[in-house]
Amino acid sequence: NAGVTQTPKFRILKIGQSMTLQCTQDMNHNYMYWYRQDPGMGLKLIYYSVGAGITDKGEVPNGYNVSRSTTEDFPLRLELAAPSQTSVYFCASSSPGTARPNSGKLSNEQFFGPGTRLTVL
Amino acid sequence: KNEVEQSPQNLTAQEGEFITINCSYSVGISALHWLQQHPGGGIVSLFMLSSGKKKHGRLIATINIQEKHSSLHITASHPRDSAVYICAVRGGATNKLIFGTGTLLAVQP
Repeated sequence: NAGVTQTPKFRILKIGQSMTLQCTQDMNHNYMYWYRQDPGMGLKLIYYSVGAGITDKGEVPNGYNVSRSTTEDFPLRLELAAPSQTSVYFCASSSPGTARPNSGKLSNEQFFGPGTRLTVL
Repeated sequence: KNEVEQSPQNLTAQEGEFITINCSYSVGISALHWLQQHPGGGIVSLFMLSSGKKKHGRLIATINIQEKHSSLHITASHPRDSAVYICAVRGGATNKLIFGTGTLLAVQP
């Protein structure tokens, strides 16, 4: 399993440009999340989804949009990039329920992608 | 005041030392996570616990629900333990996490 994958790894945008950060997971997780991480701050939840077709706002949703047309994919859209959106973005997924077989770990831990470093100039 | 507070913010240790990182929270939780973030940014889940104590190799995590406090211990620390350690608490049915700001640990040889 690839786990959670994100593209691109790095991106520089000009103010007002738009882009989509891609996130895919192959663990059949119901829950997916987008976070941003700013220096000296804890990760902040932007949007989350509890299943295909269902999305909801987190702490800091302004300036972003999401969609969840499939279980696997949870893209994050920036429509009009602003310098305040310069950050590192992490996608994560999890699934509630019983312990995963053979791992000893509960299945509702969150698995993180490698991150996308975005700079808006 | 943040709902999840970690201390210390920065920690420098010599190889072999016993390390403790603390996490206090002010909200009701169903579980607490300890995460590790290495230089380069990848985040890995170390522990998820809702009571008592868990151990994995040289890492030990404890939680006291009544006192709303958790500790992460590293025994016989090694330079490869150098990373940011993040405490996060989970509440509700959606598995949403509230994160602390992290503790930057540097273990010197």
